[in-house]
Amino acid sequence: AQSVTQLDSHVSVSEGTPVLLRCNYSSSYSPSLFWYVQHPNKGLQLLLKYTSAATLVKGINGFEAEFKKSETSFHLTKPSAHMSDAAEYFCVVSVAGGGADGLTFGKGTHLIIQP
Amino acid sequence: GAGVSQSPSNKVTEKGKDVELRCDPISGHTALYWYRQSLGQGLEFLIYFQGNSAPDKSGLPSDRFSAERTGGSVSTLTIQRTQQEDSAVYLCASSRSPLRTDTQYFGPGTRLTVL
Repeated sequence: AQSVTQLDSHVSVSEGTPVLLRCNYSSSYSPSLFWYVQHPNKGLQLLLKYTSAATLVKGINGFEAEFKKSETSFHLTKPSAHMSDAAEYFCVVSVAGGGADGLTFGKGTHLIIQP
Repeated sequence: GAGVSQSPSNKVTEKGKDVELRCDPISGHTALYWYRQSLGQGLEFLIYFQGNSAPDKSGLPSDRFSAERTGGSVSTLTIQRTQQEDSAVYLCASSRSPLRTDTQYFGPGTRLTVL
């Protein structure tokens, strides 16, 4: 079975400063990893995904994440936060092809942007 | 093109009543997923369909929950004899296939409130 740990339930940064949202995973098999964002009262939107190609993955809205197998991490970063980045972020791991073990979500990190 | 749609967007019901939630996946997507998002529980996988069949139903929280998919398209999630703990946002997602590399696209969700 696999699991995902998002190390911070809340992260607060000032507008214009870097963002770091931390995610660690455990998996018996080679995983696919995703970051989704959920704005208030909106659906989940894919930010980026890692599927065993390049370890540094670039996503939408200036976000990127680096897959580090040795550290079992997939942290999400952005060089400069914008007010519109305020949302809930979910780190997700997928191992098998669907099924009960197929997709596991982290508990989420609430990103707060201070003006 | 059209995304995943869900109806109703909001549903308020009385304890003990049955409810039906509907999901229209993206056209051509063979895999369909149901999740539940509730406070304190995060995002919980319920069931997935490949075509019309559901290979694994072990994510359903109780036998009051059932789901079906017809014609490889629309899916309904039925909750019988609703309880207050069923109150949550029910999310549907679809993907081209259940392969772990395929992105799941989420609908806006149905907010269920059981009084």
